[in-house]
Amino acid sequence: NAGVTQTPKFQVLKTGQSMTLQCAQDMNHEYMSWYRQDPGMGLRLIHYSVGAGITDQGEVPNGYNVSRSTTEDFPLRLLSAAPSQTSVYFCASTQGVQETQYFGPGTRLLVL
Amino acid sequence: GDSVTQMEGPVTLSEEAFLTINCTYTATGYPSLFWYVQYPGEGLQLLLKATKADDKGSNKGFEATYRKETTSFHLEKGSVQVSDSAVYFCALSDNYGQNFVFGPGTRLSVLP
Repeated sequence: NAGVTQTPKFQVLKTGQSMTLQCAQDMNHEYMSWYRQDPGMGLRLIHYSVGAGITDQGEVPNGYNVSRSTTEDFPLRLLSAAPSQTSVYFCASTQGVQETQYFGPGTRLLVL
Repeated sequence: GDSVTQMEGPVTLSEEAFLTINCTYTATGYPSLFWYVQYPGEGLQLLLKATKADDKGSNKGFEATYRKETTSFHLEKGSVQVSDSAVYFCALSDNYGQNFVFGPGTRLSVLP
């Protein structure tokens, strides 16, 4: 049971480039979320999904897209990277409302 | 909307000292409350949780009691160790939404 996995671990992009951060879970959780972590700001929710085919915006969705074609996978796409998107990105999954969230190890992104 | 407030860090203690990290919350419903810990370079891990008023969560010597009357969930440990050095996040998940709200995190450093 691998839990929540994320790839890549570290990425450097130039302004304007696009990329996809991968997230997968093998716990059959319906709920999945993407957060970004910035110094002094805790975790902020980007997008979340309550099941395959269903996604919604969180607190800071601008510049990011998501899709959920399967229960296991929840990729996060940066359409045109900006330096303000330099951050550490965490994917998480949970069984349901008010249940424990399980986090991946994170992706550290640097946009030059 | 829902929010979580934590004491400002960083907190620096000597080994075997008593630890308290304050956490208060604002929520419209009856949230579940969580403490997560993040060790350097890693994702967040659940430390403990409580799902209703007066519940006490405990794990690895850490404790926190869900106090509805004071809307608080303070984290305590009687004798900290160097290995407890990490960032601690208080969080809530209410019974209306599909996501968590995190506090900004408190960095703890324990000196030998």
